[in-house]
Amino acid sequence: DTEVTQTPKHLVMGMTNKKSLKCEQHMGHRAMYWYKQKAKKPPELMFVYSYEKLSINESVPSRFSPECPNSSLLNLHLHALQPEDSALYLCASSHTSGGRNEQFFGPGTRLTVL
Amino acid sequence: SQQGEEDPQALSIQEGENATMNCSYKTSINNLQWYRQNSGRGLVHLILIRSNEREKHSGRLRVTLDTSKKSSSLLITASRAADTASYFCATDALDSSYKLIFGSGTRLLVRP
Repeated sequence: DTEVTQTPKHLVMGMTNKKSLKCEQHMGHRAMYWYKQKAKKPPELMFVYSYEKLSINESVPSRFSPECPNSSLLNLHLHALQPEDSALYLCASSHTSGGRNEQFFGPGTRLTVL
Repeated sequence: SQQGEEDPQALSIQEGENATMNCSYKTSINNLQWYRQNSGRGLVHLILIRSNEREKHSGRLRVTLDTSKKSSSLLITASRAADTASYFCATDALDSSYKLIFGSGTRLLVRP
């Protein structure tokens, strides 16, 4: 299985809602990532988990809260978001060794904040 | 910003023609990767070239790397309508082996 899955595909939420994005991979990768991507822009790294521990937080606002329950799952909890947080949220995974960092991306969740 | 630059920003060609896109980056690297993204979808890894390699091929893709000029190019030969997508180069970051620094991207349109 060489696939990263993400749910939901689309999400519309109000600024007072709490929602979660989910990501799953079964490739045995021990590094998992959250990216945010605005239209016609490259992906921006938000968080990196390595061996289920948060290793990188790119100064992301606390209204985004990541969680890695196990080596296959990655969640992104959303609370009190702003309209400017509307974007495509991408999950990715990769191996953690070998000096190569090819990342496998999921299809993304299109988030709209009203 | 460490972000690389790609040119052109947009490219429109006829099916069957070759497409060349260029990437420049700012710091020393261990490797450089190219990714493709179809509209509104996830990125797909295309090819990785190490800093000690100058050229690499994969099917209709040819990637070159010039570390002295801090630049790379991606050539897609005999393009197809299905190649229509955005293409991003990505380099590893100095402060973390996990981080990728993405270029600004080239939007390729292949007209049937």
